[in-house]
Amino acid sequence: EAAVTQSPRNKVAVTGGKVTLSCNQTNNHNNMYWYRQDTGHGLRLIHYSYGAGSTEKGDIPDGYKASRPSQENFSLILELATPSQTSVYFCASGRTGGAPTGQLYFGEGSKLTVL
Amino acid sequence: GDSVTQKEGLVTLTEGLPVMLNCTYQTIYSNAFLFWYVHYLNESPRLLLKSSTDNKRTEHQGFHATLHKSSSSFHLQKSSAQLSDSALYYCALSDGTNTGKLTFGDGTVLTVKP
Repeated sequence: EAAVTQSPRNKVAVTGGKVTLSCNQTNNHNNMYWYRQDTGHGLRLIHYSYGAGSTEKGDIPDGYKASRPSQENFSLILELATPSQTSVYFCASGRTGGAPTGQLYFGEGSKLTVL
Repeated sequence: GDSVTQKEGLVTLTEGLPVMLNCTYQTIYSNAFLFWYVHYLNESPRLLLKSSTDNKRTEHQGFHATLHKSSSSFHLQKSSAQLSDSALYYCALSDGTNTGKLTFGDGTVLTVKP
């Protein structure tokens, strides 16, 4: 069954440290996304990608970088983690074109705590 | 830019009563798609309903919604709430282009009590 898997599922980091969240999808989708989920803010888009080698800024990219080395893998990188980045992060994949556009398939989330 | 408004952050119901979760949106795109995603605790968010057709009712798993472009609304309804419906519900908007990006509302936590 097609799936989106994230690692690590739980991470505790120190302020100023580097954090990498990884995502792998077997859906063969071109598009991949990183969202963060916070109470009262819903799901907010951080970065997304149209395919291997591409990354685009979402709505809240500050403090985050992204990397898409292959069709299957998409990473979110926090070079200097801050407590305000404590959140649950969701990776998702979606196909390009066709109808309906915009249907996403989510991973199970990565809970990040920055102390 | 695009926006989605879910005015209820928390809805608490007694089992058996009807459910209605509100969703309104703003977009400049005429062929926008609207979605309802459901997020159960310790699971991944997943699609519940979707629509891009004006005034057409769409149904899935006992829930239904009708996209009304005249009022920019896509409210989620169910005739009788079940305990298992307790979850976080997101309304989301896609601009209908190939970006596939979704704009989510803040979410509504539905709690169904016995």
